Order: sequence, then C-alpha cells, then structure tokens
Amino acid sequence: GENVEQHPSTLSVQEGDSAVIKCTYSDSASNYFPWYKQELGKGPQLIIDIRSNVGEKKDQRIAVTLNKTAKHFSLHITETQPEDSAVYFCAASRAGANNLFFGTGTRLTVIP
Amino acid sequence: GAVVSQHPSRVICKSGTSVKIECRSLDFQATTMFWYRQFPKQSLMLMATSNEGSKATYEQGVEKDKFLINHASLTLSTLTVTSAHPEDSSFYICSARALQGAGGYTFGSGTRLTVV
Repeated sequence: GENVEQHPSTLSVQEGDSAVIKCTYSDSASNYFPWYKQELGKGPQLIIDIRSNVGEKKDQRIAVTLNKTAKHFSLHITETQPEDSAVYFCAASRAGANNLFFGTGTRLTVIP
Repeated sequence: GAVVSQHPSRVICKSGTSVKIECRSLDFQATTMFWYRQFPKQSLMLMATSNEGSKATYEQGVEKDKFLINHASLTLSTLTVTSAHPEDSSFYICSARALQGAGGYTFGSGTRLTVV
C-alpha cells in the first residue's frame, strides 16, 4: 500500500518568512495530493491540492509543487502570519481508490 | 463548497454506555464516508469506510462490533461506539466524498469523546 512520509514534524518561523513542508510517497500510481490544515480541536480543512498532471499550483500565499519522478511534493507558505499556525497534513490517493493516505503532520508555529 | 457537518462536537459518557456520532453532507450526496480516529499529536487513522446501502469496510484491528457504522442515506453516516471504555476516548473525525474516484474529500469538524 501507499506510504506517505512528512517532514519536518515541527517548524517554527518568524512572521513574514516562508515555510516549506515536504512529503514523499511510495505508490507511483497515486495521482491526487491534497494538503490539509488542522487547528486545535477541529477537523482538517483542505487548503490546496494538486493532481499528477501538473507540477505546480498556487493560491495566493500557498503553493504546492509535485515531482512525480522523485515521488515527492511540497507545500510552500509565503509571508507567513500568526494565523497560519496549525498542524498541516499532506495526503496521497490513487485513481480509482477510495482512500487517502496521510502524512504524519507538521506543527507550524509562526512567531509574531 | 462541500460542507460536512459532524455532531456532537464534544461528548462525555460513562463507561459501559454507547455514544452515537453523526456525519452529514449538507450540500452534496456522499456515496462514500470515512471515519477516522486521531490520538493527540498524531495523524488521522482510518477506522472504516462506509458506502451508502452496504456494510462498512473496517480497517485491520478495528472492532466492527464495537464501532458500528450505518450509512443509511446519501447524506448521513453514523458511528456508534458501543460499551465505551476510557481507552475509547479520542477525537473522531468523519469525511465524505461526493463522486467515486473524482471528488475531493471533505472533513467534519470532529467529535471529542471522553469516557469516564
């Protein structure tokens, strides 16, 4: 089955700096890669996703890049703000499957 | 966008009692719903997948007689924790998917279960 690894487990950045979280996956058939933000006591919220037919996707301060050959994808947050502080999870899914495989999460702290 | 409503958000129950958690897709029909369990500072662990009108598929190690899942309609799935014990205390999260193989996954807000 799919194995998704995520690094780092914790990340602290100064407000205004950029944050990068990286994930690798093992199943070359995976083709859908969402990123979720989870605040304390709440369910995960989708912040951005990418499918395997594109290499990069951007939405304002958030971007995701995908390297299919290397089987890794990354989340980039620019101009970080204190409200970006949360736990971020990457995930992977394959076409025709009905499940998401989650990374282990990254606790991001943005220091004002 | 797609919204999944999960209730209750918090529940405290006595050991030995049963607790039901509801997961509703508000603006779409969910052919498939998922139930996860999350321990503090850990990732989401898939417990079971439920398809409308059929039996749920449980992940290895998850007791189907303890965690009863019902997906009676395209907008509602329920998870019942039967004969709850303190070790069942956890954060339970549901997720729904609108279209098989195409739709994204939308998560509920989670239920914090505390068994005393």
